[in-house]
Amino acid sequence: DIQMTQSPSSLSASVGDRVTITCRASQSISSYLNWYQQKPGKAPKLLIYNASSLQSGVPSRFSGSASGTDFTLTISGLQPEDFATYYCQQTYTTPRTFGQGTKLEIK
Amino acid sequence: EVQLVESGGGLVQPGGSLRLSCAASGFTFSTYAMYWVRQAPGQGLECVSGISSNGGSTNYANSVKGRFTISRDNSKNTLYLQMVSLRAEDMAVYYCARELGYSSSHAVDYWGQGILVTVSS
Repeated sequence: DIQMTQSPSSLSASVGDRVTITCRASQSISSYLNWYQQKPGKAPKLLIYNASSLQSGVPSRFSGSASGTDFTLTISGLQPEDFATYYCQQTYTTPRTFGQGTKLEIK
Repeated sequence: EVQLVESGGGLVQPGGSLRLSCAASGFTFSTYAMYWVRQAPGQGLECVSGISSNGGSTNYANSVKGRFTISRDNSKNTLYLQMVSLRAEDMAVYYCARELGYSSSHAVDYWGQGILVTVSS
């Protein structure tokens, strides 16, 4: 199975900050990388697909990029509603594996 | 409006069986691949199983292979997950999820509200 390693596992930031979350794949996954946001007690929400495509309805402060097997989710100008847990997921092959998550907390 | 509504969860003893159902509405169910994704208490997400739009192709996480079976009835707009030989580590919230239709990304764009499966004696 392809392993997805996210870093950091947790992150403290303030409203207005720019934050970056990284996800590394254990092998090449082309651009088959997606990012999700999950709030407590809720289902995940798709933010970014194909490494850098913004899902419809998602604010433009969210962006994604890729470099080889390293992928990055950037949130520019944190808003109060952005404090949540973020997951990456590879969909290059099955089983479709997730990273372990990054919890973004208010500083 | 796309809706995915899971049912069939609950308490089951170790070694027992359970069948989850997911009733889909608001879209043409037969044209979308579907997934079951689970989340153990306080843990991350695990893609348990997926099925193609016509049911001809399925896949499973290694942790459930041979014990879980995914299926679908496109005439009833319903997705299923048959679970046998349940273990304590299968205890989780199970989400029914729809694959994004307008790209080849295989990302999930709609999720059900989730249903809890508790495995305990």
